[in-house]
Amino acid sequence: QSALTQPASVSGSPGQSITISCTGTSSDVGGYNYVSWYQQHPGKAPKLMIFDVSNRPSGISNRFSGSKSGNTASLTISGLQAKDEADYYCTSYTSSATFVFGPGTRVTVL
Amino acid sequence: QVQLQESGPGLVKPSQTLSLTCTVSGASIRDGIYHWNWIRQHPGKGLEWIGNIYDSGSTYSNPSLKSRLTISVDTSKNQFSLKLSSVTAADTAVYYCAAQSLGEFSFDYWGQGTVVTVSS
Repeated sequence: QSALTQPASVSGSPGQSITISCTGTSSDVGGYNYVSWYQQHPGKAPKLMIFDVSNRPSGISNRFSGSKSGNTASLTISGLQAKDEADYYCTSYTSSATFVFGPGTRVTVL
Repeated sequence: QVQLQESGPGLVKPSQTLSLTCTVSGASIRDGIYHWNWIRQHPGKGLEWIGNIYDSGSTYSNPSLKSRLTISVDTSKNQFSLKLSSVTAADTAVYYCAAQSLGEFSFDYWGQGTVVTVSS
């Protein structure tokens, strides 16, 4: 199985909105509404931010939103804050009943 | 609130078997409302899904690791385990266990991770 594709880095100023893309195939991202996004700060375990493409777990700020079009899913962070600076990973369920991750995107708050 | 804690040797010799255990608290594995996953992260790299075990006992694995991987559950100890055989330096990573809610396809709860180094 091939990894999903994400940009290596995205940056924005405080208060701005940024979007991270996650591209797969019809066997994963495009075939299922089972894309999830994780935030990881250095030295910490990943944290679930978005599940099932666009749903937020309890306690996650509504500044985080997700969407999908075809084989590409997206995570948008609005009202960017310093604490949002972290690595973000997308993952998708696949037609083989496995999961595949993207390589991660480093978000920098300028 | 489900809590997970990985444990096992931090150093494994090449060609040997890496064995890790994840102890679950705040939920009973016997209840069958979660699936149990292993995920790893190579130094300075991204996340890699290793495999999981469903409440039915079925296991699914990353194709690149399938031939070396065993995932099992011990309901009496409320633990699940990973065994990865014939390890090489490429298996050096932080290993995480994670819980996936029944009927969902995301990793809701994570352990803190444990560092495993493969070296002689």
